[in-house]
Amino acid sequence: KNEVEQSPQNLTAQEGEFITINCSYSVGISALHWLQQHPGGGIVSLFMLSSGKKKHGRLIATINIQEKHSSLHITASHPRDSAVYICAVTIYPPNTGNQFYFGTGTSLTVIP
Amino acid sequence: DGGITQSPKYLFRKEGQNVTLSCEQNLNHDAMYWYRQDPGQGLRLIYYSQIVNDFQKGDIAEGYSVSREKKESFPLTVTSAQKNPTAFYLCASSAAGTSGLYSYEQYFGPGTRLTVT
Repeated sequence: KNEVEQSPQNLTAQEGEFITINCSYSVGISALHWLQQHPGGGIVSLFMLSSGKKKHGRLIATINIQEKHSSLHITASHPRDSAVYICAVTIYPPNTGNQFYFGTGTSLTVIP
Repeated sequence: DGGITQSPKYLFRKEGQNVTLSCEQNLNHDAMYWYRQDPGQGLRLIYYSQIVNDFQKGDIAEGYSVSREKKESFPLTVTSAQKNPTAFYLCASSAAGTSGLYSYEQYFGPGTRLTVT
């Protein structure tokens, strides 16, 4: 049983399209993280949020604590957005070590 | 520039040999982590360390060992006891200390792809 589920697993979009990736979790959380993994393998943190909504450039992350659901939106998608997007949570109460629980990722390909 | 370095990027070993993966950070972070990534699976925690000279097993620690003699360094040894060592290994760090009161971002290294034949 995975505490964090993502959908879809794979997503192909045309350049310019609006993209949504979903994340559901089954545990109480202190924070939810959206991460981006490029083909080379390195991972960068996009957002950490515990309520509401955050925006950075063309990326928007929202979270609904009552429904235990988060979405990552990409507006005006571009081929450089092609990557694996990973949802992760830290549980509540935060355990020592700040451990993450990861979803399996959504592989996004944006076609020119 | 502050960050996390892992070396080497690609590593090849024969079955039965121990191999050590390097992870160094200059972010002054207390906590460091080792993850394993396999195709179609989420990242899985191997070991983590919240402070120098202390570390804890994660979900899949069998066949691995670590040390934390310096704040900056957290090497992972893949021993011959690890039944399926071929994988992508990622190191991460965060500012999280031992209080367990807050959530923090984790910063990841570029990874090491280990192939054992």
